[in-house]
Amino acid sequence: EPEVTQTPSHQVTQMGQEVILRCVPISNHLYFYWYRQILGQKVEFLVSFYNNEISEKSEIFDDQFSVERPDGSNFTLKIRSTKLEDSAMYFCASRPDGPGNTIYFGEGSWLTVV
Amino acid sequence: AQSVTQLGSHVSVSEGALVLLRCNYSSSVPPYLFWYVQYPNQGLQLLLKYTSAATLVKGINGFEAEFKKSETSFHLTKPSAHMSDAAEYFCAVSLFGSSNTGKLIFGQGTTLQVKP
Repeated sequence: EPEVTQTPSHQVTQMGQEVILRCVPISNHLYFYWYRQILGQKVEFLVSFYNNEISEKSEIFDDQFSVERPDGSNFTLKIRSTKLEDSAMYFCASRPDGPGNTIYFGEGSWLTVV
Repeated sequence: AQSVTQLGSHVSVSEGALVLLRCNYSSSVPPYLFWYVQYPNQGLQLLLKYTSAATLVKGINGFEAEFKKSETSFHLTKPSAHMSDAAEYFCAVSLFGSSNTGKLIFGQGTTLQVKP
């Protein structure tokens, strides 16, 4: 069964450093998402991406964050100048076009900022 | 704006007992509703979804949920709990339409503990 894959599974970075989290969505999907889950809290929407541009973003997704789809298969989340509070599990997700279609999640990238 | 409330952050049941995880939603238009499960150190896996067809939805692993518009609820049930059901369960709401990206809005999650 096709799946969303994410790398790295775990990354430790120093405060102030830049981090890039990578995702390979399911190949025929058209919508891509990033979500965040701080330890012990709920899963929060960060951003959605469609037709090579951001279609929606949350208040969390400020200028520190950016996304891109550089080569038609990878979907990346860049976090600039990381802060301690950026420590979280970051989930990539994708879905096909059409209402009600399932959003498929990757297994997540656990980011620890020290 | 849509929102989801899961009543009870922790639910504990005995193996073989009924599982009931509560979810209430708020939406100004007919929503699509989802239940996802998260096993330790894993991603989110879809259990079942409601997309305006049958109000009683059956999912994987023996779970089912009933959409009740009058109660704005979408509670998740399983007749008989198994030890392997121990996990975090998330209810989520989504809207689809020309101005909606289909993003999911999650509830706070409910940790299900199954005792032998």
